[in-house]
Amino acid sequence: DAKTTQPNSMESNEEEPVHLPCNHSTISGTDYIHWYRQLPSQGPEYVIHGLTSNVNNRMASLAIAEDRKSSTLILHRATLRDAAVYYCILNPVRGSKLTFGKGITLSVRP
Amino acid sequence: DSGVTQTPKHLITATGQRVTLRCSPRSGDLSVYWYQQSLDQGLQFLIQYYNGEERAKGNILERFSAQQFPDLHSELNLSSLELGDSALYFCASSVVIGDTIYFGEGSWLTVV
Repeated sequence: DAKTTQPNSMESNEEEPVHLPCNHSTISGTDYIHWYRQLPSQGPEYVIHGLTSNVNNRMASLAIAEDRKSSTLILHRATLRDAAVYYCILNPVRGSKLTFGKGITLSVRP
Repeated sequence: DSGVTQTPKHLITATGQRVTLRCSPRSGDLSVYWYQQSLDQGLQFLIQYYNGEERAKGNILERFSAQQFPDLHSELNLSSLELGDSALYFCASSVVIGDTIYFGEGSWLTVV
């Protein structure tokens, strides 16, 4: 399985934008980039995914590098509710499982 | 609410015992996944089913087994339980293989 690399943790201030990076240098052409987040004591929650183009939804934006070897999850205005572990995952288009790494722990300061 | 339902939410049992965790996927989802999350191991993929058939296996112990029934619900059976099996067990589902997956709230298993 292609691997992703994320920093262990990041801090942000409330109402400021947050950029969460992810490296995936061994990504293959059929791998979608997925982001999930896990709030304390809850199951992981889908955030966003993309293949080549940047993507936006109501939760976040996903910026994908032109060579697809890295991506950045952007939270436009962090709230205290955004404090969670964020996982960047590669999901093959015909893949049979999602392999989670350790993720990045985002802390949000009031 | 993801639409994935897991029961029981909490379970305390003794070593050596056997338990069954149940999962009802989102309506229309054919694929079911099981994950184990303990404090020191993170989220570990256990097994995946698609429309009743096993499709992928991860780090699932031989003491553990699972199945997906014709109505698409799934059960994870854990036997000869050890203290180290204490963890949060998540079920997830997706429409088809490779699609976005949606997680339930998990079943907390404590083995004493």
